[in-house]
Amino acid sequence: TQLLEQSPQFLSIQEGENLTVYCNSSSVFSSLQWYRQEPGEGPVLLVTVVTGGEVKKLKRLTFQFGDARKDSSLHITAAQPGDTGLYLCAGAYSGGSNYKLTFGKGTLLTVNP
Amino acid sequence: KAGVTQTPRYLIKTRGQQVTLSCSPISGHRSVSWYQQTPGQGLQFLFEYFSETQRNKGNFPGRFSGRQFSNSRSEMNVSTLELGDSALYLCASSLSGNSPLHFGNGTRLTVT
Repeated sequence: TQLLEQSPQFLSIQEGENLTVYCNSSSVFSSLQWYRQEPGEGPVLLVTVVTGGEVKKLKRLTFQFGDARKDSSLHITAAQPGDTGLYLCAGAYSGGSNYKLTFGKGTLLTVNP
Repeated sequence: KAGVTQTPRYLIKTRGQQVTLSCSPISGHRSVSWYQQTPGQGLQFLFEYFSETQRNKGNFPGRFSGRQFSNSRSEMNVSTLELGDSALYLCASSLSGNSPLHFGNGTRLTVT
């Protein structure tokens, strides 16, 4: 069983601050996805990282996949209240015809105006 | 393009009853996955269907079952409901199962 640990579990910051959330595992993943979930809605895919060491940017969000493909981080610059939500990482394992996606429990981010 | 549609949005049931939840995937998506989301356990995988066949299954008891129709629409059924089944049930569709997931807004099930 591939387990994903996300930290911190909760994060409350002021508008304009920077933050980093982490996603760690002892398992190697073929790819890793980040989702954001807002209250009353389902998760929405933000990015997929595939290559060890890969860095992807989405406006003020920077995603990094660890060199060994076991961990990932999400950095938000100058957070806005609209960034508030539950951030979920999901590691994909692909073995033969079996594809499995394992989710972390998420980081609940609150950005206060 | 319409997104993933789940019905109903909210359900209240009593212990021992059964419930059926419905999911309509994005047009053209053949894979439908179901997840249970609770504050304590996060998102847990229930099962995945592809072309009317269950392709993967999570670690849930047999009370949880599902099916997929020829038009890719899917239903999941929970029998003999327990208080611990209270959760947000999310359906997600994808083109092939190993492509990114598109989630619906979920069905909030409360068991009393």
